[in-house]
Amino acid sequence: GAVVSQHPSWVICKSGTSVKIECRSLDFQATTMFWYRQFPKQSLMLMATSNEGSKATYEQGVEKDKFLINHASLTLSTLTVTSAHPEDSSFYICSAPDRGNTGELFFGEGSRLTVL
Amino acid sequence: QQQVKQSPQSLIVQKGGISIINCAYENTAFDYFPWYQQFPGKGPALLIAIRPDVSEKKEGRFTISFNKSAKQFSLHIMDSQPGDSATYFCAAGRTYKYIFGTGTRLKVLA
Repeated sequence: GAVVSQHPSWVICKSGTSVKIECRSLDFQATTMFWYRQFPKQSLMLMATSNEGSKATYEQGVEKDKFLINHASLTLSTLTVTSAHPEDSSFYICSAPDRGNTGELFFGEGSRLTVL
Repeated sequence: QQQVKQSPQSLIVQKGGISIINCAYENTAFDYFPWYQQFPGKGPALLIAIRPDVSEKKEGRFTISFNKSAKQFSLHIMDSQPGDSATYFCAAGRTYKYIFGTGTRLKVLA
């Protein structure tokens, strides 16, 4: 089946620094990818829709300047958490839709961000 | 934002038993209802999904029952195994934009 890969799987950074998380579709092209955030023992919250070649679409309440999304190619989307603070610590997960328009989303393994 | 209500929050089942998780949605425009399984520290993986034009779908030990009029759907795991111990999320939406339920932590006792 299709595979979505995320890197890094975990990262620790100091407060005030920026962190970039990559999401790749390994065996298929994805013009759209989705970024989710998940707090411990909580549900997945959609943050934004990443669109290849155009600006990302952010969900209500998500800071665009805090969470920069770039979808530079058909297989890569990146999420950059800028000027990270401890409250940004979370599990970030990307996903990509299947090619057959079945409705299925393929999720990456997630990236655990800890901001000290 | 539209909610998807999921229950129970946690569930303990004996090996070989049936695990049942329920979800309810609000938006009648939703046309895709998946169930995801998530292990600690991992991304969710699709278990089974249903569209509103059918009332039931079965894949192996997993069955979705769908009640369109009540706006409810449920996941049944037959012959539950210790390896099924995980967190299960229902979701609902359309065109790949899904709202997830709050999750059910299932523990299957050996």
